[in-house]
Amino acid sequence: GENVEQHPSTLSVQEGDSAVIKCTYSDSASNYFPWYKQELGKRPQLIIDIRSNVGEKKDQRIAVTLNKTAKHFSLHITETQPEDSAVYFCAARPPLNAGNMLTFGGGTRLMVKP
Amino acid sequence: GAGVSQSPSNKVTEKGKDVELRCDPISGHTALYWYRQSLGQGLEFLIYFQGNSAPDKSGLPSDRFSAERTGGSVSTLTIQRTQQEDSAVYLCASSSAGGGSNQPQHFGDGTRLSIL
Repeated sequence: GENVEQHPSTLSVQEGDSAVIKCTYSDSASNYFPWYKQELGKRPQLIIDIRSNVGEKKDQRIAVTLNKTAKHFSLHITETQPEDSAVYFCAARPPLNAGNMLTFGGGTRLMVKP
Repeated sequence: GAGVSQSPSNKVTEKGKDVELRCDPISGHTALYWYRQSLGQGLEFLIYFQGNSAPDKSGLPSDRFSAERTGGSVSTLTIQRTQQEDSAVYLCASSSAGGGSNQPQHFGDGTRLSIL
């Protein structure tokens, strides 16, 4: 089955700096890669996703890049703000999966210091 | 409309007791998923329902865990003879379709289960 590794497990940045979180996946057939943000005690919220037919997607301060050859994808947050502090999860979904199950990475705790 | 609703939000019970956790998905969503999130950990897939198809139970950790989805809507996750290692947040998610559609999953707030 699919295996997703996420790094780093914790990341501390100064407000205004950029943050990058990286994930690798094992199944080269995976074709859908969402990112979720989970604030303390709250539900995971989808913040951006990318499909395997594109290499990059951007939404305001958030961007995701995908390298299918290397089987890795990254989340980039620019001009970080204290409200960006949360745990971020990447996920991957193989197309041969009978359902829509996602395999999640272990999460990255991002702390933005004011 | 309303998002995914889970109840109870918190459950504390003694080891050995049975518990039932409820999930009410977004109206019209045919796919429903249960995940488990241990403290400081990622999301572990448990079970998946799609329409009237047989559920995918491949993520259930033991036969003490079971789930039902009646009428294609509300789902109940049951844990029998609870153990302390069952303590976690149990998250439910739903999406508008499964089977390769890549529709995003929307999560509920979860049930925080504590086994004493």
